[in-house]
Amino acid sequence: DAGVIQSPRHEVTEMGQEVTLRCKPISGHNSLFWYRQTMMRGLELLIYFNNNVPIDDSGMPEDRFSAKMPNASFSTLKIQPSEPRDSAVYFCASSFVGGLAGYEQYFGPGTRLTVT
Amino acid sequence: DQQVKQNSPSLSVQEGRISILNCDYTNSMFDYFLWYKKYPAEGPTFLISISSIKDKNEDGRFTVFLNKSAKHLSLHIVPSQPGDSAVYFCAASEYGVVFGQGTRLTINP
Repeated sequence: DAGVIQSPRHEVTEMGQEVTLRCKPISGHNSLFWYRQTMMRGLELLIYFNNNVPIDDSGMPEDRFSAKMPNASFSTLKIQPSEPRDSAVYFCASSFVGGLAGYEQYFGPGTRLTVT
Repeated sequence: DQQVKQNSPSLSVQEGRISILNCDYTNSMFDYFLWYKKYPAEGPTFLISISSIKDKNEDGRFTVFLNKSAKHLSLHIVPSQPGDSAVYFCAASEYGVVFGQGTRLTINP
């Protein structure tokens, strides 16, 4: 299995531009999570989906952030418009919730976003 | 409000000695606890977990202890090896998963 795939690995953009981060979860997993990692706040959960349905988006910082999961094998996190304070590493993770290993998440390599 | 706290941002240990990483939580409804390890430029990887019905779980050099009355979790690594140098995240789960801020462990030769 290829694991969780994220693209792009690095993104540099100017303030005000739209940014779209992409994630392909592990096949067979039914939950997908988006996290943001910063020095100040560590790993923050932004949103998670179960069976393609958003369950908890309370971690999404503001309306500039949106996430979709149109099918079980693809999700996007969009920032529009982007701001310098959005600079961080964004991780996608997936897991199978329902089994004994349901809480163990498998993380992608992350997307390092820099907004100038 | 930080429900899972790792109060030590960094820890330095000599190779061969024991490394002890600590984690405190506030939500008594958490029923599953996990430790993840993260190398630079990679995503976190699962290391070890423990259910709230247990107080200890061991896997090779790694042991996790849970003290529910104190709402405290710790990870022991013995003996510590240079490859253990990484950032370690504590996580706790009820419905979703909440991560601590991480502790950077450095193993000195």
